[in-house]
Amino acid sequence: KAGVTQTPRYLIKTRGQQVTLSCSPISGHRSVSWYQQTPGQGLQFLFEYFSETQRNKGNFPGRFSGRQFSNSRSEMNVSTLELGDSALYLCASSSHLGAYNEQFFGPGTRLTVL
Amino acid sequence: TQLLEQSPQFLSIQEGENLTVYCNSSSVFSSLQWYRQEPGEGPVLLVTVVTGGEVKKLKRLTFQFGDARKDSSLHITAAQPGDTGLYLCARPRNTGKLIFGQGTTLQVKP
Repeated sequence: KAGVTQTPRYLIKTRGQQVTLSCSPISGHRSVSWYQQTPGQGLQFLFEYFSETQRNKGNFPGRFSGRQFSNSRSEMNVSTLELGDSALYLCASSSHLGAYNEQFFGPGTRLTVL
Repeated sequence: TQLLEQSPQFLSIQEGENLTVYCNSSSVFSSLQWYRQEPGEGPVLLVTVVTGGEVKKLKRLTFQFGDARKDSSLHITAAQPGDTGLYLCARPRNTGKLIFGQGTTLQVKP
């Protein structure tokens, strides 16, 4: 069974630009969550999608958004990039809604904002 | 606060040594998870502890959940270079998110 895949793996952008990251969950998983990982703040929850609907949202500004498609694939978008958005963005999939179910993480997308 | 405090933040030991990583909170949790993250990869779930006082073993790794369910520990016996990585504790919340500790970076030198 293929794991969670994230594309691209690495991305370099400049301040003010926008970026779209993609996540393909494990086949059959309907829940996708996104996390931001930085050395200073650690792993922080961005949002969770289930059946194409955002179910939960973390404490991030509106520049961070996402969506989920009918095949459970998910994208997250960051607009008007800031230097502080440089981070590893991790996607996790689960068979059911909620963090009590085992989350399977992808390898992440490393975003660098110059 | 729902923060999880992990200690130590960094640990560099020689192969064969034992070590313990701690995860503490001021509030009670219904369950706690431990993850290991290797460079270039996402976190991988090692174990979930649910019952106060619970002890779970995974080969050379022993996980303990405190009696009051406010703390947990991970003990590694006879560490090997393959144990090198970032160890994270996390608690699931009803809001769907996992709250992670800051992590313990472990380096095991051959």
